[in-house]
Amino acid sequence: DTAVSQTPKYLVTQMGNDKSIKCEQNLGHDTMYWYKQDSKKFLKIMFSYNNKELIINETVPNRFSPKSPDKAHLNLHINSLELGDSAVYFCASSHNRAANTGELFFGEGSRLTVL
Amino acid sequence: DQQVKQNSPSLSVQEGRISILNCDYTNSMFDYFLWYKKYPAEGPTFLISISSIKDKNEDGRFTVFLNKSAKHLSLHIVPSQPGDSAVYFCAATTTGTASKLTFGTGTRLQVTL
Repeated sequence: DTAVSQTPKYLVTQMGNDKSIKCEQNLGHDTMYWYKQDSKKFLKIMFSYNNKELIINETVPNRFSPKSPDKAHLNLHINSLELGDSAVYFCASSHNRAANTGELFFGEGSRLTVL
Repeated sequence: DQQVKQNSPSLSVQEGRISILNCDYTNSMFDYFLWYKKYPAEGPTFLISISSIKDKNEDGRFTVFLNKSAKHLSLHIVPSQPGDSAVYFCAATTTGTASKLTFGTGTRLQVTL
């Protein structure tokens, strides 16, 4: 039973389209995240939600809009896709927003390719 | 601005030998450090961590060493096993803030027979 699951795992789309990636965790965690791994392999945080409240927003273009309907779900919607959005997007969750341990549980990633 | 650096993109080690993966950081506010392991087509998984109040943390075959004055940490795996072949990411954070890990670019470890 997957702890942090993301769908879809692969997504190929045209520039200008709008797409969403969904994430669900069954670990009972309060905090969820979206990280982006670009072509240079940098894993960078984009957003973090704690109990449906946005707590981290890392200078991400406003074409990216996270939505957390409840604490077990954090979806990522991307408008007007650009070539530079091509990356692997990882969802993650953790027990505690205070980062006392920093132990995150990651999903398998969603590879987005924008043509 | 790359605050966490892993300067070796890859490392090859024979089975049974020691693997040493290195990581440097520049932000003196970081006080908690972690190593994650990643297999292809999977997300990173937490391996081991260390607080800045310690200089060593050991968990089975894995030991992390922290040298605060040099802003350097290393992960030792001994003995190395073929199943250890993966990409290892170093990460750092500042405790007491919202969970925000800063990752290095990873080192691909290949353990050969």
